[in-house]
Amino acid sequence: DAGVTQSPTHLIKTRGQQVTLRCSPKSGHDTVSWYQQALGQGPQFIFQYYEEEERQRGNFPDRFSGHQFPNYSSELNVNALLLGDSALYLCASSTPGHQETQYFGPGTRLLVL
Amino acid sequence: GQSLEQPSEVTAVEGAIVQINCTYQTSGFYGLSWYQQHDGGAPTFLSYNGLDGLEETGRFSSFLSRSDSYGYLLLQELQMKDSASYFCAVRRGNYGQNFVFGPGTRLSVLP
Repeated sequence: DAGVTQSPTHLIKTRGQQVTLRCSPKSGHDTVSWYQQALGQGPQFIFQYYEEEERQRGNFPDRFSGHQFPNYSSELNVNALLLGDSALYLCASSTPGHQETQYFGPGTRLLVL
Repeated sequence: GQSLEQPSEVTAVEGAIVQINCTYQTSGFYGLSWYQQHDGGAPTFLSYNGLDGLEETGRFSSFLSRSDSYGYLLLQELQMKDSASYFCAVRRGNYGQNFVFGPGTRLSVLP
């Protein structure tokens, strides 16, 4: 049973560029959430997708957008990258009946130069 | 606003018991979760308290007091592999996963 997978594992971009990160949820899970984790800090909730729609959103600007596909996989897009966007981006999946239990992927480490 | 407080660091020896506290101030509260994260790894779910009281899962227990906006994670029979960061996270609603994470507590287990 595959857990949550994310790609790529590492990424280097320059300011102003755009990036797309990908996530496949754990088998049987249909809800995907994205988090940003700066070094030495706790994860910060970006948004959650369920049934291909954004259901909840944290305090992040519109430069951060996402998508969920019919197979429940998801993408996180960040436009006009800033140096402060450098962080570990985590994807977490769950089922509606057990939202208290989130399964996290290994993350994508993004470095913006 | 939302704020969670945890001690930044805790050190203990193998075999000991350690308690990591978490206090929170959030708009909306549905429950408190605990996650473990090893360096370079993904957060791993440990425990969840939706109601006041103690939840026990093997060597780990978690406690919640809603009236005090306080919870703790108790780790017993510490092992070297327990060295990691531990995060408390408030679940703010039943609809959707709007979790607010604390800053994390780095636990070091010494031989």
